[in-house]
Amino acid sequence: ELKVEQNPLFLSMQEGKNYTIYCNYSTTSDRLYWYRQDPGKSLESLFVLLSNGAVKQEGRLMASLDTKARLSTLHITAAVHDLSATYFCAVDIWDDMRFGAGTRLTVKP
Amino acid sequence: GAVVSQHPSWVICKSGTSVKIECRSLDFQATTMFWYRQFPKQSLMLMATSNEGSKATYEQGVEKDKFLINHASLTLSTLTVTSAHPEDSSFYICSASLSTQTAYNEQFFGPGTRLTVL
Repeated sequence: ELKVEQNPLFLSMQEGKNYTIYCNYSTTSDRLYWYRQDPGKSLESLFVLLSNGAVKQEGRLMASLDTKARLSTLHITAAVHDLSATYFCAVDIWDDMRFGAGTRLTVKP
Repeated sequence: GAVVSQHPSWVICKSGTSVKIECRSLDFQATTMFWYRQFPKQSLMLMATSNEGSKATYEQGVEKDKFLINHASLTLSTLTVTSAHPEDSSFYICSASLSTQTAYNEQFFGPGTRLTVL
């Protein structure tokens, strides 16, 4: 059974700091997604990573994928308050998508 | 493009009643639609996968007689929660998968429906 583990589950950081969220998964897959969810809202797609070594950046967020290690990272650079949200990674095998538990990020001034 | 809508956005009902939630792909034909459930402060859990014109495939532990899924067309899937009880209160999110020539079919998520059963 595919398992997806995220850590940390909760993250409180100050504005301007950097941090990385990790996503490990148990079964070989080369399709990994990162989503953002604001309270009371649905998912917003951030990144789609489709191959080993894939790296994508959007603003202060950068995601990478290492399929051999079954690991994806979401790196936050110089955090700002607007990044406060819950971030989910998800792994897709044959259209069966499994989500990590989510990382609740709070960015404090 | 690739917009998915859900209706209603929120619903409050009495215990024992049935509630229908609609999921529509607005600007594309979805080969597959998915239904997820999210309890407060938890992750999304896949409930079922449905393809147009065929029976839905339910995840283990999801009662198919309680959560009826109808996928009548390539743009519409419905989830009916029958005889709803307070423990069914949750945030229900659908997604639709666009068939392309690429190696993967990205899922596009609807805005969610918050169900509260009194």
